[in-house]
Amino acid sequence: DAGITQSPRYKITETGRQVTLMCHQTWSHSYMFWYRQDLGHGLRLIYYSAAADITDKGEVPDGYVVSRSKTENFPLTLESATRSQTSVYFCASFERGYEQYFGPGTRLTVT
Amino acid sequence: KNEVEQSPQNLTAQEGEFITINCSYSVGISALHWLQQHPGGGIVSLFMLSSGKKKHGRLIATINIQEKHSSLHITASHPRDSAVYICAVDKETSGSRLTFGEGTQLTVNP
Repeated sequence: DAGITQSPRYKITETGRQVTLMCHQTWSHSYMFWYRQDLGHGLRLIYYSAAADITDKGEVPDGYVVSRSKTENFPLTLESATRSQTSVYFCASFERGYEQYFGPGTRLTVT
Repeated sequence: KNEVEQSPQNLTAQEGEFITINCSYSVGISALHWLQQHPGGGIVSLFMLSSGKKKHGRLIATINIQEKHSSLHITASHPRDSAVYICAVDKETSGSRLTFGEGTQLTVNP
């Protein structure tokens, strides 16, 4: 099915663990983004990618790592999870001149 | 001051009312996006505008590039329209990163 998917949809992990959130899009969009959404903060950009093997920091990159070896995948890794990283994470893809499409979100709880 | 300002922050309406949500921005843009997010739900793109007006069903979005202002209108509002509406701009200098407004929480009562 065409679209943008995220996995897992829900994740509970412990402080200090490494966690990887997956994002996959089927449109071959050039741009992909990771956002976090916290109550009272709206959407904040963590990292983005303009193409495979090109990534750049957003507004709140500390504690996160991304890679993009293939156009369709853009995983986000929390190297050592902290409670402050408890949030809802949205992946999005975009081709300039067109609408931005969001994944369904991953609700991450760090205990 | 935020580069993208939305008003109102919260809006309560009765079913059937005509609703307007405003978005003002202070930077040069290549496009403006309107997004919708239902409680606990995902984010859906409603419109992408670079000029003029677009209409999907009961939703209408307009943009005035000279005045740096956009409006989202909902005609014949319904309780299912209750959601957060987010304005976001693709700045000319941003490399396609969106800059988001704070969102407008809309509640439509039956």
